[in-house]
Amino acid sequence: DTGVSQDPRHKITKRGQNVTFRCDPISEHNRLYWYRQTLGQGPEFLTYFQNEAQLEKSRLLSDRFSAERPKGSFSTLEIQRTEQGDSAMYLCASSSRAYEQYFGPGTRLTVT
Amino acid sequence: DAKTTQPPSMDCAEGRAANLPCNHSTISGNEYVYWYRQIHSQGPQYIIHGLKNNETNEMASLIITEDRKSSTLILPHATLRDTAVYYCIVNSSPRGSQGNLIFGKGTKLSVKP
Repeated sequence: DTGVSQDPRHKITKRGQNVTFRCDPISEHNRLYWYRQTLGQGPEFLTYFQNEAQLEKSRLLSDRFSAERPKGSFSTLEIQRTEQGDSAMYLCASSSRAYEQYFGPGTRLTVT
Repeated sequence: DAKTTQPPSMDCAEGRAANLPCNHSTISGNEYVYWYRQIHSQGPQYIIHGLKNNETNEMASLIITEDRKSSTLILPHATLRDTAVYYCIVNSSPRGSQGNLIFGKGTKLSVKP
């Protein structure tokens, strides 16, 4: 399968714990995006990488969130000191052209 | 905020054409219209995009009005697998090429047998 993969698919954590998600994009795509989606809403943009450079961050990305894309390949999204409001689906997408993005299956985070 | 308006839900009979409308009255001259869909429990899937001309691919057709203030996504022969939330998105990144999509709530299309 050469699509976008995300790991884990599901994560349950207790409030205050740190969590890290991984995204493996389609190999030839230089652009990588993270989105967050809550129930009944469309995905919301979090951050964007072109190769290894993080070029844009949403105001939704508080100081507790950090994302990296070392060597311009896979990416990680870390949430520190999780809160119940962080419960959501975290989606990763990659593309070679700005608006034709290929999404992974998402990581569903539940903070208890 | 999303720059598009879509009906919250629509039904379509299996085998018939599904016509999903979208209003984008404030679209700028260099902005594209993109359509994505999201099947339950999956990530969004790119369908089609256009600027001013009508477009067709293997999944759908996109009809954009001459004034570009609205568009219609057409699934010519809807199947049960087309049941999904359909998002109409206008390129609204101020820096043009960044590509961060701004999703609204979309239209939930239910294809019924």
